[in-house]
Amino acid sequence: QQQVKQSPQSLIVQKGGIPIINCAYENTAFDYFPWYQQFPGKGPALLIAIRPDVSEKKEGRFTISFNKSAKQFSLHIMDSQPGDSATYFCAASRFNAGGTSYGKLTFGQGTILTVHP
Amino acid sequence: EADIYQTPRYLVIGTGKKITLECSQTMGHDKMYWYQQDPGMELHLIHYSYGVNSTEKGDLSSESTVSRIRTEHFPLTLESARPSHTSQYLCASRGGNNEQFFGPGTRLTVL
Repeated sequence: QQQVKQSPQSLIVQKGGIPIINCAYENTAFDYFPWYQQFPGKGPALLIAIRPDVSEKKEGRFTISFNKSAKQFSLHIMDSQPGDSATYFCAASRFNAGGTSYGKLTFGQGTILTVHP
Repeated sequence: EADIYQTPRYLVIGTGKKITLECSQTMGHDKMYWYQQDPGMELHLIHYSYGVNSTEKGDLSSESTVSRIRTEHFPLTLESARPSHTSQYLCASRGGNNEQFFGPGTRLTVL
């Protein structure tokens, strides 16, 4: 029940395209859903995050869409650029979990995005 | 600005050696984490700590051990490295708004 499933495994788009990465979770106790961006040789960095009280959140060219009833959320990258080429990870956790959870993130499997010039 | 440091960045060692991967953060965060990640693959939590003198094993079984004697320092030790330990090890700490900040990682190769 802790699993987060991410798709697709890899994605290739042309510059200006709108790649969409999808994630599905099982644990209904999750209430914090971040997306991380990772470049080769670097650690992941937080890109954008959403709580279930809203269905969409936008920061710059990055948008998260959230569907609580379907237990799914997705990342859209508007006007994608070659510099967006990276691996993207979705994750989920309980936001202010105490006890043994301690805010542990459960990560998806990752999506390797390539944006061609 | 998030400052979390890992050393060494790259390490190539022989089988049977004892190694310690260092992780330090200057943000005063109580919660810290170690993840194992094969290149381009998902992150697996192997250890976490919610404060000084408190450590727990993560979701992925690991032969490594950790300690947390100081808030800012969370080293990971392998008593006897094996080729199966070859991987990237990422350290992270968590701020009050739930954001996890990651270090640059240590890429370990055991021959």
